[in-house]
This record gives sequence, C-alpha cells and structure tokens, in this order.
Amino acid sequence: SAVISQKPSRDICQRGTSLTIQCQVDSQVTMMFWYRQQPGQSLTLIATANQGSEATYESGFVIDKFPISRPNLTFSTLTVSNMSPEDSSIYLCSVAAIQETQYFGPGTRLLVL
Amino acid sequence: GQQLNQSPQSMFIQEGEDVSMNCTSSSIFNTWLWYKQDPGEGPVLLIALYKAGELTSNGRLTAQFGITRKDSFLNISASIPSDVGIYFCAGQLPNTGGFKTIFGAGTRLFVKA
Repeated sequence: SAVISQKPSRDICQRGTSLTIQCQVDSQVTMMFWYRQQPGQSLTLIATANQGSEATYESGFVIDKFPISRPNLTFSTLTVSNMSPEDSSIYLCSVAAIQETQYFGPGTRLLVL
Repeated sequence: GQQLNQSPQSMFIQEGEDVSMNCTSSSIFNTWLWYKQDPGEGPVLLIALYKAGELTSNGRLTAQFGITRKDSFLNISASIPSDVGIYFCAGQLPNTGGFKTIFGAGTRLFVKA
C-alpha cells in the first residue's frame, strides 16, 4: 500500500485567507484525488488531480475556490481560497496505483473562524 | 447521480458479537471497497473486491461483492473494543480519465466491553 503524508495536519485560519495543503506519496501513483469530509459526514470528492494539467472538478466545486496542482506523480497541493466558516472540514488526499485500490492520507483538519 | 445506501447507520453491540453491514445501489460498480475511519484519522482500507460474487476475508473481516454488482456486505466476527469506528463502503465505476469512487454514508460501530 502507498504511504501518504499531508501537511499541515491541522490549522485554524481567519476568514478571507487561503490555505494550501500538501500531499506527498512515497511511490508513483496513477491517480490522486482530493476529498472533503464535513463533520459527521461521509467523503465528498472535490476533484481529480491530473499531472501537468488542470484538475477535473466535481459538480459544486470550482477551480477559483479550490485550485489544485500536481507537478509530478508523487505530489499534489490543494488550496482553499477566500475561506469562510463553511469551509471548516477535513480535507483528505487519496491515491490509486494498481487496479483501483484507493488509499487515503491522514487528512488536514481545517477550522475557519 | 449514483448513490450508495449504507445500513445500518449505527450499531451498538457487546464485545464478542458478530456484526453485519451492507451497501446497496441502483448503479453497477466494477469495484467495491470497505474502509474504517478512527477519530482524527483518514480512512484505512480494509478489503477490496474486484469481481462479482467474490468473497474475501481479512482476519475477522469478511466482505462480498454482490452477484448483481449493485451491493456488498461486510461482516465482522467476534467484535472487540478496537473495532469501534466508522465503516464506509465505496463503489467504483469508470469515469473520464479513469474511475470515480462513490462513498456510503458510513456505519458507526460502538462496542461495549
């Protein structure tokens, strides 16, 4: 299985500011994803991070609010822009290598005041 | 859109009891995955199922990929206190550029020693 790290593990931010979350995986993977998990809820896919090109966003998520980069096969960033309290959530990086077996990072816990 | 119905929503059981949870959908999936999430952690993959009818075990855990490809169940035998957590099912189907994973709402398991 892939070992995934995320930074920061948690943060408290002021509304109107932006936070960039980093995801690093220990092996080259085919696909990288970003999910949001609101308190007490399931996981919602934000976007698929594509290497060297624009991410593919799910309905309800836009690039201006959640810009994503993936410069290589092992690293991606998600930025939460112009934050509001409604953005308080856990943000999870996920990767898939062989078949479609999908693994998750430890998550970034964000609180927006 | 695609949706997974996961049940039960929560379970309160005594240590040593067996547990069963399931997911159903009106959509056909190529892969079923079962995850466990502990508080403050990212989801951890328990079992991956790739073929209709497949029955797979991982220690005290057993999961099956339904023959219709629209459902899956997870059984936990002889539960122990560390089984406490949230269990998520996830179904995967082809999508532009790869695949898409849909998550159930989760089953919250409480084990009384």
